[in-house]
Amino acid sequence: QVQLVESGGGVVQPGGSLRLSCAASGFMFSGYPMNWVRQTPGKGLEWVAFISYDGSKKYYADSVQGRFTISRDTFKKTLYLQMNSLRAGDTAVYYCARAMNFHDRSAVDYWGQGALVTVSS
Amino acid sequence: QSVLTQPPSASGTPGQRVTISCFGSSPDIGTNAANWYQQLPGTAPKLLIYGNDQRPSGVPDRFSGSKSGTSASLAISGLQSDDEAAYFCAAWDDSLNGWVFGGGTKLTVL
Repeated sequence: QVQLVESGGGVVQPGGSLRLSCAASGFMFSGYPMNWVRQTPGKGLEWVAFISYDGSKKYYADSVQGRFTISRDTFKKTLYLQMNSLRAGDTAVYYCARAMNFHDRSAVDYWGQGALVTVSS
Repeated sequence: QSVLTQPPSASGTPGQRVTISCFGSSPDIGTNAANWYQQLPGTAPKLLIYGNDQRPSGVPDRFSGSKSGTSASLAISGLQSDDEAAYFCAAWDDSLNGWVFGGGTKLTVL
């Protein structure tokens, strides 16, 4: 079955960096676009970044553009989110999420369990 | 402030039918399909409806979706206590090249 397992969350000071990883299993990782979506405790969902199935296209939310980088390693079947210049407003649970098929706009169907990132001094 | 607009709360009694609305605009729901997610407390969202009105395998037919113009709706019939959760709508936004979400509707089963 499809499994997405995030790791790398934690507490970091403002201005610091953190890298999230998402280990994928149970499906052909190289054939699916992937996303990072975050959720502030008790609040709604905010899309953060998208990467196409082959890594050729990457899109970012305006709020993280220039600070966050999404990437994927096909051989390791792992999705990454490098987060730099972190701010208090980046505090959230970060979900790794898979798209249903190779089309960029296909619905996100599977989500990981989430990784909590707390930016605080 | 979310791009898609949902009512913050909804409620119904067991067996009733409830509808949750989601209002968007031309670049998102007006152009692309609407999807719906159910999120139980402390868990990740679960896909409930995709492509405006399609149910993934395993989702009961009590859940249905529809879209008209720049708005979408989720209907839940035969309401059950297990349906008490937050429901989010989502759509791809062509102007942002990314996903936009509604603020979520917390459904209470009275």
